Amino acid sequence: EVHLLESGGGLLQPGGSLRLSCVASGFTFSSNAMSWVRQAPGKGLEWVSAINGFGGTTYYADSVKGRFTISRDNSMNTLYLQINSLRAEDTAVYYCARSGNGWYRFDYWGQGTQVTVSS
Amino acid sequence: DIQMTQSPSSLSASVGDRVTITCRASQSINIYLNWFQQKAGKAPNLLIYTASSLQSGGPSRFSGSGSGTDFTLTISSLQPEDSATYYCQQSYSTPPTFGQGTRLEIK
Repeated sequence: EVHLLESGGGLLQPGGSLRLSCVASGFTFSSNAMSWVRQAPGKGLEWVSAINGFGGTTYYADSVKGRFTISRDNSMNTLYLQINSLRAEDTAVYYCARSGNGWYRFDYWGQGTQVTVSS
Repeated sequence: DIQMTQSPSSLSASVGDRVTITCRASQSINIYLNWFQQKAGKAPNLLIYTASSLQSGGPSRFSGSGSGTDFTLTISSLQPEDSATYYCQQSYSTPPTFGQGTRLEIK
């Protein structure tokens, strides 16, 4: 059974940094592209970043480009999101999601980790 | 970026009703359209992919149709557990984009 478990969220001040992790199990992790998708309180879904199976190709939303870095460690079955220069508008639940085919068919999601940016 | 627009933003229907939600893309996305169901406090769940394919394990009362710019999600006979917010999402190009969501309430 596919399982994704995020961690690393918390309450941080503007300008701070943190790293989110997503541990995967139940499938061959290196075979699938992975993404981070976030959801601000009471709002809709916003794709943040994606990485291919081997980690050599990455994409970012314009809203996070230059501040967020996606990476993966296939030996540890773990996806990461490094977030720098935090802003209030980064406050959201961050989900990791597996793509079952191609880049953006999100067939499995984690339970999410809350990131709150406030002074 | 491709903009996805859903309608209605919210609706209320009774158990057993046939419900339709529409999604329009700002440009042609072929059939690269997915539908998600999100219940309160939970992660989204993939219902339909490539416009009309039912995700494994999904209830057969859910169906999708459309191509190009106009798509629909239909629930043939509404059940109490279908109370949720539904999102469409295009997987045609980067960045993938979501509709704003349709909140479905059971009367």
